[in-house]
Amino acid sequence: GAGVSQSPRYKVAKRGQDVALRCDPISGHVSLFWYQQALGQGPEFLTYFQNEAQLDKSGLPSDRFFAERPEGSVSTLKIQRTQQEDSAVYLCASSLASGFQETQYFGPGTRLLVL
Amino acid sequence: GQQLNQSPQSMFIQEGEDVSMNCTSSSIFNTWLWYKQEPGEGPVLLIALYKAGELTSNGRLTAQFGITRKDSFLNISASIPSDVGIYFCAGHSGGSGGSNYKLTFGKGTLLTVNP
Repeated sequence: GAGVSQSPRYKVAKRGQDVALRCDPISGHVSLFWYQQALGQGPEFLTYFQNEAQLDKSGLPSDRFFAERPEGSVSTLKIQRTQQEDSAVYLCASSLASGFQETQYFGPGTRLLVL
Repeated sequence: GQQLNQSPQSMFIQEGEDVSMNCTSSSIFNTWLWYKQEPGEGPVLLIALYKAGELTSNGRLTAQFGITRKDSFLNISASIPSDVGIYFCAGHSGGSGGSNYKLTFGKGTLLTVNP
Protein backbone atom coordinates (compact mmCIF):
# COMPACT_ATOMS: atom_id res chain seq x y z
CA GLY A 1 0.00 0.00 0.00
CA ALA A 2 0.98 3.64 -0.27
CA GLY A 3 3.19 5.21 2.33
CA VAL A 4 3.02 8.68 3.80
CA SER A 5 3.00 11.31 1.09
CA GLN A 6 3.76 15.00 1.39
CA SER A 7 3.30 17.95 -0.94
CA PRO A 8 4.83 20.02 -2.21
CA ARG A 9 8.22 18.31 -2.10
CA TYR A 10 9.97 21.67 -2.47
CA LYS A 11 8.79 25.16 -1.64
CA VAL A 12 10.60 28.44 -2.07
CA ALA A 13 8.95 31.35 -0.27
CA LYS A 14 9.77 35.00 0.07
CA ARG A 15 10.15 36.22 3.62
CA GLY A 16 6.77 37.25 4.94
CA GLN A 17 4.82 34.90 2.68
CA ASP A 18 2.40 32.33 4.10
CA VAL A 19 2.90 28.66 3.20
CA ALA A 20 0.83 25.49 3.61
CA LEU A 21 2.35 22.04 3.68
CA ARG A 22 0.21 18.96 3.18
CA CYS A 23 0.54 15.46 4.62
CA ASP A 24 -1.40 12.38 3.53
CA PRO A 25 -0.85 9.68 6.16
CA ILE A 26 -1.14 5.96 5.63
CA SER A 27 -4.81 5.06 5.38
CA GLY A 28 -6.27 4.09 8.74
CA HIS A 29 -3.44 5.51 10.80
CA VAL A 30 -4.79 7.24 13.88
CA SER A 31 -1.70 9.13 14.93
CA LEU A 32 0.00 11.86 12.91
CA PHE A 33 3.15 13.79 13.73
CA TRP A 34 4.98 16.78 12.29
CA TYR A 35 8.74 17.18 12.73
CA GLN A 36 11.14 19.92 11.64
CA GLN A 37 14.61 18.94 10.44
CA ALA A 38 17.19 21.70 10.12
CA LEU A 39 20.23 21.15 7.91
CA GLY A 40 22.65 18.73 9.53
CA GLN A 41 20.34 17.98 12.45
CA GLY A 42 17.95 15.26 13.47
CA PRO A 43 14.20 15.77 13.23
CA GLU A 44 12.60 17.73 16.07
CA PHE A 45 9.02 17.19 17.21
CA LEU A 46 6.51 19.89 16.37
CA THR A 47 3.02 18.54 17.01
CA TYR A 48 0.91 15.38 17.41
CA PHE A 49 -2.64 14.49 16.37
CA GLN A 50 -4.75 11.57 17.44
CA ASN A 51 -7.49 11.44 14.83
CA GLU A 52 -8.64 15.06 14.47
CA ALA A 53 -7.57 16.10 17.98
CA GLN A 54 -4.31 17.99 18.35
CA LEU A 55 -3.05 16.54 21.62
CA ASP A 56 0.38 18.12 21.74
CA LYS A 57 1.64 21.26 20.05
CA SER A 58 4.47 21.93 22.44
CA GLY A 59 7.12 21.80 19.71
CA LEU A 60 5.68 24.53 17.49
CA PRO A 61 8.34 27.28 17.48
CA SER A 62 5.98 30.25 17.48
CA ASP A 63 2.38 31.28 17.02
CA ARG A 64 3.14 31.68 13.30
CA PHE A 65 2.97 27.88 13.06
CA PHE A 66 -0.43 26.25 12.92
CA ALA A 67 -1.43 22.65 12.17
CA GLU A 68 -4.78 21.05 11.58
CA ARG A 69 -6.28 17.66 10.75
CA PRO A 70 -9.98 18.44 10.51
CA GLU A 71 -11.27 15.04 9.38
CA GLY A 72 -8.70 12.88 11.09
CA SER A 73 -6.88 12.05 7.88
CA VAL A 74 -5.02 14.66 5.81
CA SER A 75 -3.10 17.25 7.79
CA THR A 76 -1.85 20.72 6.89
CA LEU A 77 0.99 22.60 8.53
CA LYS A 78 0.69 26.32 7.93
CA ILE A 79 3.42 28.85 8.52
CA GLN A 80 2.44 32.49 8.47
CA ARG A 81 4.78 35.37 7.68
CA THR A 82 7.69 33.03 6.99
CA GLN A 83 11.15 33.95 8.25
CA GLN A 84 14.55 32.76 7.05
CA GLU A 85 14.97 30.63 10.18
CA ASP A 86 11.93 28.62 9.09
CA SER A 87 13.99 27.10 6.26
CA ALA A 88 14.12 23.38 6.97
CA VAL A 89 12.71 20.03 5.94
CA TYR A 90 9.25 19.43 7.39
CA LEU A 91 8.58 15.75 7.93
CA CYS A 92 5.22 14.14 8.54
CA ALA A 93 4.88 10.71 10.15
CA SER A 94 1.94 8.49 10.94
CA SER A 95 1.38 5.44 13.10
CA LEU A 96 -1.44 2.97 13.41
CA ALA A 97 -2.13 3.92 17.01
CA SER A 98 -0.54 5.84 19.84
CA GLY A 99 1.96 4.33 22.23
CA PHE A 100 5.71 3.91 22.22
CA GLN A 101 5.64 0.51 20.52
CA GLU A 102 3.87 1.89 17.47
CA THR A 103 6.19 2.43 14.52
CA GLN A 104 6.16 5.92 13.06
CA TYR A 105 6.35 5.89 9.26
CA PHE A 106 7.84 9.01 7.76
CA GLY A 107 7.02 10.78 4.53
CA PRO A 108 9.74 12.17 2.22
CA GLY A 109 9.39 15.67 3.65
CA THR A 110 8.82 19.14 2.25
CA ARG A 111 11.96 21.18 1.78
CA LEU A 112 11.16 24.81 2.58
CA LEU A 113 13.55 27.57 1.64
CA VAL A 114 12.70 31.08 2.76
CA LEU A 115 14.55 33.83 0.92
CA GLY B 1 14.29 19.52 26.15
CA GLN B 2 15.65 16.00 25.91
CA GLN B 3 18.89 15.58 24.03
CA LEU B 4 20.62 12.57 22.58
CA ASN B 5 24.36 12.59 22.03
CA GLN B 6 25.21 10.54 18.97
CA SER B 7 28.73 9.64 17.87
CA PRO B 8 30.62 9.68 15.69
CA GLN B 9 29.28 12.53 13.58
CA SER B 10 30.65 10.93 10.43
CA MET B 11 32.50 7.83 9.29
CA PHE B 12 34.35 7.04 6.09
CA ILE B 13 35.06 3.33 5.71
CA GLN B 14 36.02 0.74 3.16
CA GLU B 15 33.53 -1.74 1.84
CA GLY B 16 33.56 -4.89 3.96
CA GLU B 17 34.49 -3.16 7.19
CA ASP B 18 32.34 -3.27 10.31
CA VAL B 19 30.84 -0.07 11.69
CA SER B 20 29.79 0.91 15.20
CA MET B 21 27.94 4.01 16.36
CA ASN B 22 26.33 4.90 19.66
CA CYS B 23 23.94 7.19 21.37
CA THR B 24 23.77 8.39 24.97
CA SER B 25 21.28 10.36 26.99
CA SER B 26 21.35 12.09 30.33
CA SER B 27 17.90 10.70 31.12
CA ILE B 28 16.14 7.36 30.88
CA PHE B 29 14.54 6.29 27.62
CA ASN B 30 11.69 3.79 27.28
CA THR B 31 12.60 2.85 23.75
CA TRP B 32 15.61 3.12 21.50
CA LEU B 33 15.13 3.22 17.76
CA TRP B 34 17.60 3.36 14.90
CA TYR B 35 16.62 5.03 11.63
CA LYS B 36 18.39 5.48 8.30
CA GLN B 37 17.81 8.52 6.10
CA GLU B 38 18.90 8.77 2.49
CA PRO B 39 19.08 12.03 0.52
CA GLY B 40 15.68 13.45 -0.28
CA GLU B 41 13.82 10.90 1.80
CA GLY B 42 12.38 10.60 5.26
CA PRO B 43 13.87 8.38 7.98
CA VAL B 44 13.21 4.66 7.69
CA LEU B 45 13.10 2.49 10.81
CA LEU B 46 15.84 -0.15 10.97
CA ILE B 47 15.63 -1.59 14.47
CA ALA B 48 13.40 -0.96 17.50
CA LEU B 49 14.40 -1.84 21.08
CA TYR B 50 11.92 -1.87 23.94
CA LYS B 51 13.65 -3.52 26.92
CA ALA B 52 16.82 -2.70 28.80
CA GLY B 53 19.55 -5.12 27.79
CA GLU B 54 17.73 -6.18 24.62
CA LEU B 55 19.96 -7.17 21.73
CA THR B 56 18.25 -7.27 18.32
CA SER B 57 19.50 -8.05 14.84
CA ASN B 58 18.15 -7.20 11.41
CA GLY B 59 20.34 -8.80 8.78
CA ARG B 60 23.79 -7.27 9.07
CA LEU B 61 22.58 -4.76 11.65
CA THR B 62 22.69 -5.36 15.40
CA ALA B 63 21.54 -2.94 18.06
CA GLN B 64 21.41 -3.03 21.85
CA PHE B 65 19.37 -1.19 24.47
CA GLY B 66 21.75 -0.30 27.29
CA ILE B 67 21.19 -1.70 30.77
CA THR B 68 21.04 1.79 32.26
CA ARG B 69 18.38 2.76 29.65
CA LYS B 70 20.51 5.78 28.85
CA ASP B 71 22.42 4.44 25.86
CA SER B 72 22.26 2.31 22.74
CA PHE B 73 24.60 1.21 20.00
CA LEU B 74 24.22 0.08 16.40
CA ASN B 75 26.67 -2.18 14.61
CA ILE B 76 26.75 -2.81 10.88
CA SER B 77 28.82 -5.78 9.78
CA ALA B 78 30.49 -6.25 6.39
CA SER B 79 29.44 -2.84 5.06
CA ILE B 80 28.37 -2.45 1.44
CA PRO B 81 28.01 0.70 -0.70
CA SER B 82 24.24 0.84 -0.23
CA ASP B 83 24.76 1.31 3.51
CA VAL B 84 25.61 4.94 2.73
CA GLY B 85 23.30 7.38 4.49
CA ILE B 86 22.66 9.16 7.75
CA TYR B 87 21.86 6.96 10.75
CA PHE B 88 19.82 8.43 13.56
CA CYS B 89 19.16 7.13 17.02
CA ALA B 90 15.82 8.09 18.50
CA GLY B 91 13.69 7.21 21.45
CA HIS B 92 10.79 7.90 23.73
CA SER B 93 11.95 9.38 27.02
CA GLY B 94 10.55 8.23 30.32
CA GLY B 95 10.19 10.04 33.59
CA SER B 96 8.94 13.53 34.19
CA GLY B 97 8.07 15.27 30.94
CA GLY B 98 8.40 12.11 28.90
CA SER B 99 5.83 10.80 26.51
CA ASN B 100 4.91 7.56 24.81
CA TYR B 101 4.59 9.16 21.39
CA LYS B 102 7.08 12.02 21.01
CA LEU B 103 10.35 10.90 19.46
CA THR B 104 13.64 12.58 20.35
CA PHE B 105 16.37 12.20 17.71
CA GLY B 106 20.14 12.36 17.81
CA LYS B 107 22.01 14.53 15.33
CA GLY B 108 22.93 11.60 13.14
CA THR B 109 26.01 9.73 11.92
CA LEU B 110 26.90 10.23 8.26
CA LEU B 111 28.26 6.96 6.87
CA THR B 112 30.25 6.87 3.65
CA VAL B 113 31.36 3.51 2.24
CA ASN B 114 34.19 3.44 -0.26
CA PRO B 115 33.78 0.58 -2.76
